[in-house]
Amino acid sequence: AQKVTQAQTEISVVEKEDVTLDCVYETRDTTYYLFWYKQPPSGELVFLIRRNSFDEQNEISGRYSWNFQKSTSSFNFTITASQVVDSAVYFCALTGGSYIPTFGRGTSLIVHP
Amino acid sequence: GAGVSQTPSNKVTEKGKYVELRCDPISGHTALYWYRQSLGQGPEFLIYFQGTGAADDSGLPNDRFFAVRPEGSVSTLKIQRTERGDSAVYLCASSPRDRVISEQFFGPGTRLTVL
Repeated sequence: AQKVTQAQTEISVVEKEDVTLDCVYETRDTTYYLFWYKQPPSGELVFLIRRNSFDEQNEISGRYSWNFQKSTSSFNFTITASQVVDSAVYFCALTGGSYIPTFGRGTSLIVHP
Repeated sequence: GAGVSQTPSNKVTEKGKYVELRCDPISGHTALYWYRQSLGQGPEFLIYFQGTGAADDSGLPNDRFFAVRPEGSVSTLKIQRTERGDSAVYLCASSPRDRVISEQFFGPGTRLTVL
């Protein structure tokens, strides 16, 4: 069985602060994929990133960066210089050999102006 | 191009009634997923189609739930004898055929309320 834990239920920051959303996963598969999705207040989930288990390089995309560490089974997401538009629920997800994604419970990020 | 669409956006029904929820995936996407999302939770997998066939329906909670995708495009999730516990947002997502484990494109969901 696979599991994704997002221990932070809600994070509140002031605009321009940096914020890191944690994701810890469990799986017995040696090949797996990790994802982050954003769910804004409008409700529709939007894909942010996919990372496979053989690629531990960190990735940066604008103000977003991701830190994948197999040694700690973590795939954390950092937003630099947060903006009000970043306010949303963020989900971490894992897909292994079954092709069935398991989502975490999500972290609600609130960015205050 | 058009994204994933779901109809209706909201459905209110009475306990014991039958409902159908529809999903139109992105054109050309052969993989289609149904999820259920309760308040404060992440999407919970229900069923996965590859083409017309259900590749995995292990997430369906019981035999009151059924889904079809007869022509490999539009899918319908059917719930019989609805119960109050079925109230949730039902999400549909599609993925392109040539990337087995690729990102999913989600629809806006159908909010089902069972009174």
